[in-house]
Parts: sequence; structure tokens; C-alpha cells
Amino acid sequence: EAQVTQNPRYLITVTGKKLTVTCSQNMNHEYMSWYRQDPGLGLRQIYYSMNVEVTDKGDVPEGYKVSRKEKRNFPLILESPSPNQTSLYFCASSKDRGQETQYFGPGTRLLVL
Amino acid sequence: GQSLEQPSEVTAVEGAIVQINCTYQTSGFYGLSWYQQHDGGAPTFLSYNALDGLEETGRFSSFLSRSDSYGYLLLQELQMKDSASYFCAANDYKLSFGAGTTVTVRA
Repeated sequence: EAQVTQNPRYLITVTGKKLTVTCSQNMNHEYMSWYRQDPGLGLRQIYYSMNVEVTDKGDVPEGYKVSRKEKRNFPLILESPSPNQTSLYFCASSKDRGQETQYFGPGTRLLVL
Repeated sequence: GQSLEQPSEVTAVEGAIVQINCTYQTSGFYGLSWYQQHDGGAPTFLSYNALDGLEETGRFSSFLSRSDSYGYLLLQELQMKDSASYFCAANDYKLSFGAGTTVTVRA
């Protein structure tokens, strides 16, 4: 089954404790991205990657890091989480950057205390 | 950068037609996408317009006017399961979303 998976689905952590949210897709897609969703603000792009070893900032990259060492994986790293990073996070992939259809993962709910 | 404006809420009865408008300002533009999201679940793709005009997919249709920087999503024959949030998104080298429109369908 074609899908995007994220782990963990739910996470409660404390300020400053490094964490990683994994994202993996099995569709051989070149383009992957991370979004955060907050009430009233829609989905805002954090980082995106157009291919292996190619990443770029989205609209809200501060406090986040990403890497794209393999085509299928695109982890999101919070080196020192803060309460304002409490949010719902989605990973997505598409065939290429101009592809209109993005496939979203199930989401990760993060609470930073 | 890009900004997209859409209404925050729409309420309608089963069987009705709802139109969700979206205006955008972008520095680059490939096309306009529409996504549906139920209660914090994963957004799912509904429709895409790269060219001016109407695209029809079952009960849903989407329209784009590049000259007006405007598009809309038309939901026809509304069903209870259509109660969800709907987002327009402008495709550039990245994807920028509007804040979303919550559609509530009443019996």
C-alpha cells in the first residue's frame, strides 16, 4: 500500500530535550516536506526537500532541522524544543516539486512542556 | 512569499451546494490545489487547477482564474460526511496553504 508513515504519532516532552520525528514514504517520491498545523493558521511549511541531499527552508524553519540521506526518509529534528513548538506535524511527499498531489502522513501531535 | 485568503466557516444543509472562495498573492505560481481534512486527520488531495477554467471530479469541482488570482471549490449534493476543513494551496517551488474553511453540513 502506498503510504507516508510518521513516528511517533503522539509525543510529550520537556523543553530542551532533543527529539526526532521520523517520516518515510514507499512511493519513490522525490519531493518531501514537513508542515506544522496550528489552530487558525492552516498548514505552514517548515522544510522541504527536492531530492536526496537537497533541502531548503519553508516558511517557518526556526528551531527545526532536517536531513535527506535516503530518498524514502525525511526526519524532522528539534534540537532544543520549546513550548511554542507544540503543534500537529505532518510529513508529505509528492512525485516532484511541481506535482499537484501531495500525500500526507497521519500526523504527529507534539506537546512540549 | 505567498498568502491565501479563504472564509473561515460555512454552514449548509444536506443536498445543498457550497462554494469556497480562495484569493491568493504569490511570487510564483504553478497552480491551485484543494485539500480536505477531517478532525485533525491527514489532509487528502481533492483537486488541482493549473490552467484557467473548471475541473470536475464527481461532486466536487474547482475553478481557477489566473488573471484574478482567484479560485473556488464547489461542493455539490452535500452529504454529512463532507463536514470537514477545506484548504486551498498555491503550488510554487513549495506549497503554501490558506488557513482553511470549516464546512458544517446539517441534516
